[in-house]
Amino acid sequence: ILNVEQSPQSLHVQEGDSTNFTCSFPSSNFYALHWYRWETAKSPEALFVMTLNGDEKKKGRISATLNTKEGYSYLYIKGSQPEDSATYLCAFRGSARQLTFGSGTQLTVLP
Amino acid sequence: DVKVTQSSRYLVKRTGEKVFLECVQDMDHENMFWYRQDPGLGLRLIYFSYDVKMKEKGDIPEGYSVSREKKERFSLILESASTNQTSMYLCASSLGGPSTEAFFGQGTRLTVV
Repeated sequence: ILNVEQSPQSLHVQEGDSTNFTCSFPSSNFYALHWYRWETAKSPEALFVMTLNGDEKKKGRISATLNTKEGYSYLYIKGSQPEDSATYLCAFRGSARQLTFGSGTQLTVLP
Repeated sequence: DVKVTQSSRYLVKRTGEKVFLECVQDMDHENMFWYRQDPGLGLRLIYFSYDVKMKEKGDIPEGYSVSREKKERFSLILESASTNQTSMYLCASSLGGPSTEAFFGQGTRLTVV
């Protein structure tokens, strides 16, 4: 079983705060690292898919970085809003075809 | 828009019953996945398929089987449901490449009593 770990498990921040989460994954046989947002009562939706070491991706106030050599990725949210409250999942795609998820970081943004 | 549809949103079954969870996608995706989600454990892969009639075990295949007779449909089968299979089940699909995102169904909340 591949080891994909996320930290912290949960996080409460005030509206306007910036925050970040970590995803660690195997540094060998790397193909891609995915980030998903999962809001309550909805399906998970992709935020980013990153494939190259040093990749940085941005969508609005959310950005992500990738370090494949050391096996970690960071997700940043700038100026958190209540609508950012969700569970953020990362997923590792290695040489096998499966997509292995971490246990997620549950973010609550307090107004 | 890609659509992944799971046959039921909520399901209650009795211990020992044979249970079928159906998933259909409409975007000609090669890959299809079944995950279960339990509190604190994230999404755990049960089985996946990268082509019709092809299937591969994920991390927790025990007690489950799958069927993929057509490209658009991937079924998860609980041969004899047990209470420890009470969970949220999510189906997903994606194109064949590693850098393609997965699209998820709405989930099936299964309760085994």
